[in-house]
Amino acid sequence: AQSVTQPDIHITVSEGASLELRCNYSYGATPYLFWYVQSPGQGLQLLLKYFSGDTLVQGIKGFEAEFKRSQSSFNLRKPSVHWSDAAEYFCAVEGNQGGKLIFGQGTELSVKP
Amino acid sequence: DARVTQTPRDKVTEMGQEVTMRCQPILGHNTVFWYRQTMMQGLELLAYFRNRAPLDDSGMPKDRFSAEMPDATLATLKIQPSEPRDSAVYFCASGLRRIYLAKNIQYFGAGTRLSVL
Repeated sequence: AQSVTQPDIHITVSEGASLELRCNYSYGATPYLFWYVQSPGQGLQLLLKYFSGDTLVQGIKGFEAEFKRSQSSFNLRKPSVHWSDAAEYFCAVEGNQGGKLIFGQGTELSVKP
Repeated sequence: DARVTQTPRDKVTEMGQEVTMRCQPILGHNTVFWYRQTMMQGLELLAYFRNRAPLDDSGMPKDRFSAEMPDATLATLKIQPSEPRDSAVYFCASGLRRIYLAKNIQYFGAGTRLSVL
C-alpha cells in the first residue's frame, strides 16, 4: 500500500539555522512527490514537486528537496530558516488512482528567535 | 491570481443539522478533491471528481455524506445529519489532469472549519 511517513512530529530550530524535514514514502512505481506548507488557519500551499529528472528540486521561499530512490526519501531542506517559516509541513505522494494525494502526518516547525 | 474558493470559512452547527460546504475550483481545472483534516487522522481524501464525474468516494461515510458537482464551477459537500465526530477542517483542491500527462498539481482552498456541537 502507498504511504508517506514523516518521522518528526515537531521540530524547533533557531532563526538562521539550517533545516531538514524528513519524508519517506512507500510506492511501487516512479513516485510523484510534493511538499506543501500550511500556516495556521490557512490552506496548503505547494512548496515544490518532483516528477522526474534532476533529483534536486528547487521550490518557493528558498526551499529545496532531494529525491533519493535508494532510500525512498524526499527530504526538504532550507539553508537558513526565517521566523516566517514557522508552519506545518506536509509531504505527499500521488497515488496510482487518478491523482489523489497521500499525505504524511505532517511536521510542525517552530522557529526560535 | 487564480485560487480555489471555499465557503463558508467557519461553520458552527448543532448535531443533527445539515451542513453544506461549497467550493469554486480554479477556472479551467477539471479535477476536484475533497479532503478532511483532523488531529487524529491527519489529511484524508473523502472524494474526488474529474470532469464533474465522481471517480472515488470511498473515503466518505456514505450514509451521511454526499458530494456533487452541479456544474464545472461549483462542488458541494453535504453532511446530513451532522455529528460531533464530523468536526474537522474540510479542504477542497482542484487540478488539471490531462490524459497524456499524468503529472497533476493540486491547489488547495483555505478550508471550511466545521464544529458540530
